Amino acid sequence: GAVVSQHPSRVICKSGTSVKIECRSLDFQATTMFWYRQFPKQSLMLMATSNEGSKATYEQGVEKDKFLINHASLTLSTLTVTSAHPEDSSFYICSAEGLTSGYQETQYFGPGTRLLVL
Amino acid sequence: RKEVEQDPGPFNVPEGATVAFNCTYSNSASQSFFWYRQDCRKEPKLLMSVYSSGNEDGRFTAQLNRASQYISLLIRDSKLSDSATYLCVLPPGGYNKLIFGAGTRLAVHP
Repeated sequence: GAVVSQHPSRVICKSGTSVKIECRSLDFQATTMFWYRQFPKQSLMLMATSNEGSKATYEQGVEKDKFLINHASLTLSTLTVTSAHPEDSSFYICSAEGLTSGYQETQYFGPGTRLLVL
Repeated sequence: RKEVEQDPGPFNVPEGATVAFNCTYSNSASQSFFWYRQDCRKEPKLLMSVYSSGNEDGRFTAQLNRASQYISLLIRDSKLSDSATYLCVLPPGGYNKLIFGAGTRLAVHP
């Protein structure tokens, strides 16, 4: 199946610092990428939808100035958590959507990035 | 009412058992549904897609009841490796924005 990678897989940082998470589609071009957040024992919550070459669309309640999204190419989207605080500690998962050979359009998830802000 | 609701479980079943989960949805216009599986501390992985009345893949059967607005996932001959959280997912009116249920946890024991 289609492969989506995320980097880093885990990050620990001090409060007030910024953290950048990369999401790459490795064997297909992703016109749209999605960023989710998942707190322990809760479901995935969509944070924003990212389209290549345009501004991201944020879900209600998600601060666009705090969670900066850049989708500069068809294979890479980045999420930057600016001035991270302990309440931002979570599991961040990206997904990429696109047509792949033999597959209908669907979403493929990256392995996730576990963020811990001290 | 939440857009997607699932019984959180956990469902504790012995190996070889048959287990079924239900998921109810509020948007009657929803045309397609997905079941994803999520292992602890991992990303969700697509298990099955449901586009009409149902779908079957080996030990897994998904069914859709549009009149009552629920979908079900049936797992036959449960294996230890089936232990995971099963997420009911629907795209509201399109394929791009997925809405996830909170998930149903399944624990299969020897």
